[in-house]
Amino acid sequence: DVKVTQSSRYLVKRTGEKVFLECVQDMDHENMFWYRQDPGLGLRLIYFSYDVKMKEKGDIPEGYSVSREKKERFSLILESASTNQTSMYLCASSSFRAVGDEQYFGPGTRLTVT
Amino acid sequence: GNSVTQMEGPVTLSEEAFLTINCTYTATGYPSLFWYVQYPGEGLQLLLKATKADDKGSNKGFEATYRKETTSFHLEKGSVQVSDSAVYFCALKTSYDKVIFGPGTSLSVIP
Repeated sequence: DVKVTQSSRYLVKRTGEKVFLECVQDMDHENMFWYRQDPGLGLRLIYFSYDVKMKEKGDIPEGYSVSREKKERFSLILESASTNQTSMYLCASSSFRAVGDEQYFGPGTRLTVT
Repeated sequence: GNSVTQMEGPVTLSEEAFLTINCTYTATGYPSLFWYVQYPGEGLQLLLKATKADDKGSNKGFEATYRKETTSFHLEKGSVQVSDSAVYFCALKTSYDKVIFGPGTSLSVIP
């Protein structure tokens, strides 16, 4: 059974803290993605990676960075958390084989910044 | 650019009612089309997909047909259940990496 796991389901952090969100996939996928999901705004792409040590900015990269040191792991970093980064964060992965291949999602991390 | 438009809802139906969620798209080339579902408190999961014109995707009683002439991929189910209550996302993909998602449609099914 294919799986994308995220390190925490719920996280509460203080303003200014450095926050790490971890994502691991076991499908040997080339592509990995970080989204945030907010009511009324749908899914917005923060960053994605198509290979180890490669990253591309998505639609809303400001205030975030990412790291991909191993193929199976993709980390999202909030360098200095702010209250407007309170959101649901979703990680996903997909293969690079075909346009018709779908994305597989983790369960999400609900981050609250106080 | 590429985009997906879908009815935002919320949609409320009684159990056993017929469901249609409209989805239209704008894309260059020949996209693959998807419906994802998100149950409460969970991530998204693929519901069905179609990779070329006139293909019909189906799963769990849901169906959608890839209509190139109307650039549509409407989701239908003949008889919804309470367990179908979720948010439904239409999406397209024209390359090997990124997916373009619609805004999502919230569905509530009442007994």
